[in-house]
This record gives sequence, structure tokens and C-alpha cells, in this order.
Amino acid sequence: DGGITQSPKYLFRKEGQNVTLSCEQNLNHDAMYWYRQDPGQGLRLIYYSQIVNDFQKGDIAEGYSVSREKKESFPLTVTSAQKNPTAFYLCASSGIFNRGPLNQPQHFGDGTRLSIL
Amino acid sequence: SQQGEEDPQALSIQEGENATMNCSYKTSINNLQWYRQNSGRGLVHLILIRSNEREKHSGRLRVTLDTSKKSSSLLITASRAADTASYFCATGGGGNEKLTFGTGTRLTIIP
Repeated sequence: DGGITQSPKYLFRKEGQNVTLSCEQNLNHDAMYWYRQDPGQGLRLIYYSQIVNDFQKGDIAEGYSVSREKKESFPLTVTSAQKNPTAFYLCASSGIFNRGPLNQPQHFGDGTRLSIL
Repeated sequence: SQQGEEDPQALSIQEGENATMNCSYKTSINNLQWYRQNSGRGLVHLILIRSNEREKHSGRLRVTLDTSKKSSSLLITASRAADTASYFCATGGGGNEKLTFGTGTRLTIIP
């Protein structure tokens, strides 16, 4: 079945360590997104990509980095510069048209919960 | 930035009753979407209503949109235990504007 796979489900980070969250989709979607969700709050956009080899900062990009080398994959690295990384991270995708509108319905993975050791 | 704000923040009702939650937003929109999130899971898209539509139905879901009041409501009829989840509205602007999610309503259905 088509969908979005995020891994791992749980991740722990030590001080000064970078960690990478995986996101893979087989929906043939061009646009992909990373969100951060804190307890009892809504989603905040970290980064998004509308096409391979291109990505844009969202509202809270500081301390994070991404790459988009393949259409199916959009990994997120939480760097040591992100001082408060404990959160639930959600990856999503939408659309099938290059640089199409970003207001289309999004499909989500089941998230990665990142905690600090 | 979060444009949508859901009301109430939390809602508990008996199974079989109807649940209504509201979303208010600040700027003009192209469409408004509702999503469901079960605990510890990702969001699932429920329904999209365009700015030129006033009401839309999908199964037990009914969504209304009042662009003059910049508000939308989601009605779930004949609620079931499986409807227990958080519900988020998301507003979509025109052109290249991204979806903006609200803070959510936590719905609990009491068996």
C-alpha cells in the first residue's frame, strides 16, 4: 500500500550529538514536509521541499537540516545546535505536480518521538 | 505561525451524541481542511472545504465554512468510541502558501 514511513519510532539523543530521522514515501508526491509537535500543541513547520534538490525553511528551521536527493526520501537531521529537541516529529507529503500549490491535503507518517538522554 | 484556533480545547461526550468543534482563522483562505490525530500517531486528512463552499458532508462528518466570520465547524454525528482523537483544522492560502495548522481539539467519547 502507498504511504509514508518514518523511522525510527523512538530516538534518543545525547548532548552534542546529531541525529537523523528518516522519511520515505511511495505516493509519488513531489512535496514533502517536516513538522514538530510539542505536547498539547499544533504542528510547526520545520522545512519543506517541493522538488528534488530543493528545499525551503519553515517557521522553526534553526538547529535542523534536511536533504532531498531523491523524490521518495526527505531525511531530517536534528543538530546539536537545536537546544530543545525533545518533541514528536512528523513527516508529510502532498501533491503530484512539480512546484504545485502547497495547500493540498497532506499525508502523514506515524512520527518519530525524540528524547534527550 | 498558527492561524487556526480550535474551540473548545477539549470536549468529552457520551457515545452516540453529536460532537461539534470550531475553528477560527485570521486571514483569507483558499481552502480549509480538517484532520484527525489518534494518540501517538500521524494526522489523517478528513475533509477539505473550499472558500466558495458553505457546507460539505462525508459520512458522519459535516463541515461548514463561514468566510465572513472566518470560521468553520466540524460536526461528528452519532459519535463512537473510535472517534476519540485530537482534531485539527488547517488553512490553505492561495498560490504557494503553505498549510497552517491550528492547536487542536481533544475529543473524548465516553462509552
